[in-house]
Amino acid sequence: GEDVEQSLFLSVREGDSSVINCTYTDSSSTYLYWYKQEPGAGLQLLTYIFSNMDMKQDQRLTVLLNKKDKHLSLRIADTQTGDSAIYFCAEEDTGGGNKLTFGTGTQLKVEL
Amino acid sequence: DAGITQSPRHKVTETGTPVTLRCHQTENHRYMYWYRQDPGHGLRLIHYSYGVKDTDKGEVSDGYSVSRSKTEDFLLTLESATSSQTSVYFCAISEGTGNTIYFGEGSWLTVV
Repeated sequence: GEDVEQSLFLSVREGDSSVINCTYTDSSSTYLYWYKQEPGAGLQLLTYIFSNMDMKQDQRLTVLLNKKDKHLSLRIADTQTGDSAIYFCAEEDTGGGNKLTFGTGTQLKVEL
Repeated sequence: DAGITQSPRHKVTETGTPVTLRCHQTENHRYMYWYRQDPGHGLRLIHYSYGVKDTDKGEVSDGYSVSRSKTEDFLLTLESATSSQTSVYFCAISEGTGNTIYFGEGSWLTVV
């Protein structure tokens, strides 16, 4: 079955870069996603990457994909206090239907 | 915000009682999903629907049933609630593989 793993916590200082890592097991996944969840709220799609890409950049966000190692990372440049949240990576089920398998989530804390 | 409304947003119920959560969408998307979120597990798929009256099980479907009689509504029913079903439930919608998956704001359910 599919399994997605993330570290539970990350603490950074405001202005520094944050790197959140994720490993997945289904090498045939076509899309991999990053979602952000603020306290008491739903999930907000941050970005996604197609499996034939190595990198995708979107303003302060950079996604790196290493298919050989099944490793996905999200880099947030110039991290701000408003970035404090839980970040989930997710892979799309290759069985179709746009079903997702989520990681456990990484709690990002941004300190002044 | 994607046009997804979950109701109720918060509910406390007693063990053994039936509970129904409703997800309503205004986007006319084909796919609808129910996930539950628990600490240490991220989000896990309960059931999903790929059309009116077409549903299938997800990873954690035991104790849950669903119905979709209209494109816009997807109901999740706990026939006899148990304390292990205390969780946050998220509805999601999508047009299918490769398309953005939008999440609702969540329904907090406590079974006492």
